[in-house]
Amino acid sequence: IQMTQSPSSVSASVGDRVTITCRASQGVSTWLAWYQQQPGRALKLLIYGASTLQSGVPSRFSGSGSGTDFTLTISSLQPEDFATYYCQQGGDFPYTFGQGTRLEIK
Amino acid sequence: EVQLVESGGGLVQPGGSLRLSCSASGFSFSTRWMSWVRQAPGKGLEWVVNMKYDGSEISYVDSVRGRFTVSRDNAKNSLYLQMNSLRVDDTAVYYCVRMGSLEARRTADQWGLGTLVIVSS
Repeated sequence: IQMTQSPSSVSASVGDRVTITCRASQGVSTWLAWYQQQPGRALKLLIYGASTLQSGVPSRFSGSGSGTDFTLTISSLQPEDFATYYCQQGGDFPYTFGQGTRLEIK
Repeated sequence: EVQLVESGGGLVQPGGSLRLSCSASGFSFSTRWMSWVRQAPGKGLEWVVNMKYDGSEISYVDSVRGRFTVSRDNAKNSLYLQMNSLRVDDTAVYYCVRMGSLEARRTADQWGLGTLVIVSS
């Protein structure tokens, strides 16, 4: 299953609302997760089941979608949110990731 | 605190072998599925292999099947990846990953910092 994220990069300012989309080449129900990667830090699971917030993740992060189309929204960007974000499908093995979205400071 | 610490990476020639280790702590290792995920330099993520908590179920991505072997020692809270017949395109950071449970069971809910494998002549 191919996962396609868009955009591949985005520039935004602190306080902005940002949405990242992820499309699966075939339906994955709600077996969709989002991760955050920052240099020098372990990857972090943000959302699983397409919309369930992982424990400890700030509520400004939210996810939605099912089937083939999914979104990750950050409602009000904070300085610590500038990172690369990946979606991952768990609908069928091998689990696959999107190519990543780099979120940069404008 | 959950910790996953990988070791064993390094420089190896094409066709060579390497064994990666992952030491886990802070959770009940013997009850959790574990995986290896890799990331080529500057590239995206690739899920390499899953292993059930008792070793009875294992799934490999096609690109490594027949060359890589995953194993675990629950008494030592450790996960391993034996990599044989290494190719240049196996060059990557290899992450040890704990898989989630229940509704999060097809995700990676904890990650190590990774160990770098470079395959080059």
